[in-house]
Amino acid sequence: GNSVTQMEGPVTLSEEAFLTINCTYTATGYPSLFWYVQYPGEGLQLLLKATKADDKGSNKGFEATYRKETTSFHLEKGSVQVSDSAVYFCALSSIISGNTPLVFGKGTRLSVIA
Amino acid sequence: SAVISQKPSRDICQRGTSLTIQCQVDSQVTMMFWYRQQPGQSLTLIATANQGSEATYESGFVIDKFPISRPNLTFSTLTVSNMSPEDSSIYLCSVVAGHGYTFGSGTRLTVV
Repeated sequence: GNSVTQMEGPVTLSEEAFLTINCTYTATGYPSLFWYVQYPGEGLQLLLKATKADDKGSNKGFEATYRKETTSFHLEKGSVQVSDSAVYFCALSSIISGNTPLVFGKGTRLSVIA
Repeated sequence: SAVISQKPSRDICQRGTSLTIQCQVDSQVTMMFWYRQQPGQSLTLIATANQGSEATYESGFVIDKFPISRPNLTFSTLTVSNMSPEDSSIYLCSVVAGHGYTFGSGTRLTVV
């Protein structure tokens, strides 16, 4: 079945450091890939997505490229801020047809210190 | 994208009782998905709810414990029955609308 593997956290970085959170997936066909963010005490928010190979999703300085050859969708940001402290979830959907739920990775907690 | 109103946002319940969580969507959707997020964990799919038929449950979740209703294309409820402290979690509903997935704000349940 479909699955997502994320790097274990927590990750602690200083402000303005470079961030990478690794995500790899196992899926049949051509899944769509997502990164969601959950800020402390808040609900899930879509951060970015990519629906086909070589697509790059980007938002708020974060970006991730859909790499079919390595089945990866790593999240990167060039310079993190304290306000980026949150839990980040990588997820996939086999088809965005309205009938298929998202499959989530375990989440990676990021703490950014000033 | 769709907007989901989920209620209640949080509750503290006595063990042995039941809690019903509601999700109202501002547009018609085919499927609604219910997830559980245990403390410090990822989201686990409980079931998929289609209007007019019984929900489909994932392994480890049963209808007697988590009955779901889906009376129309904009509304669904999840009941957590005969609660125990192990049921303390955040429960979320989700739908596909437009080009992506939308989540309710979650129900933070504490069972004492």
